Amino acid sequence: DTGVSQNPRHKITKRGQNVTFRCDPISEHNRLYWYRQTLGQGPEFLTYFQNEAQLEKSRLLSDRFSAERPKGSFSTLEIQRTEQGDSAMYLCASSLAFGQVDEQYFGPGTRLTVT
Amino acid sequence: AQSVAQPEDQVNVAEGNPLTVKCTYSVSGNPYLFWYVQYPNRGLQFLLKYITGDNLVKGSYGFEAEFNKSQTSFHLKKPSALVSDSALYFCAVTPTGSARQLTFGSGTQLTVLP
Repeated sequence: DTGVSQNPRHKITKRGQNVTFRCDPISEHNRLYWYRQTLGQGPEFLTYFQNEAQLEKSRLLSDRFSAERPKGSFSTLEIQRTEQGDSAMYLCASSLAFGQVDEQYFGPGTRLTVT
Repeated sequence: AQSVAQPEDQVNVAEGNPLTVKCTYSVSGNPYLFWYVQYPNRGLQFLLKYITGDNLVKGSYGFEAEFNKSQTSFHLKKPSALVSDSALYFCAVTPTGSARQLTFGSGTQLTVLP
């Protein structure tokens, strides 16, 4: 068990550019989540997958954001036409659906800076 | 919609003293409640959760939390603080049998002074 990994760890981009982040969950976990965390705040939910199906999307996830989990393993989060307000830490978490509620295990995050 | 309040941005406590980090929540129906800890440059780490049953939940690293339904609170506690407990602590809630998304509080920075 190597934990949840995210790449890159840091990304600096210019406004208007597209960026893509990758998340590799814990290998047997069937649920995968994306959150966004800004300075001084707790993480905010963006979207959630069960296997390859995207089951929930927050209203925070504008049309410029898209997430995929094509084979039910790793996931990508793409932001098109980045804006300065997109600067944040993007967190990925995974869990194994079991019993009443599953614990989410978080990766280290990708810090995005939009200049 | 659910929400979590952590009324203290910063808590300072002397090493060896008991610590409490406060959390109150608002949710429709019964809650699932969680505590996570975040160290610098590391991901959120799960500490403990409340699902049902005993109101006192024990978790990792000697932490425990007490669920109080009437006060809608889920305070994190530890009998004797360590300097290494210094970190950012987040409380989170999700409604029972509902969405999987966690709603987090804004966090409390715990500093344990030697």
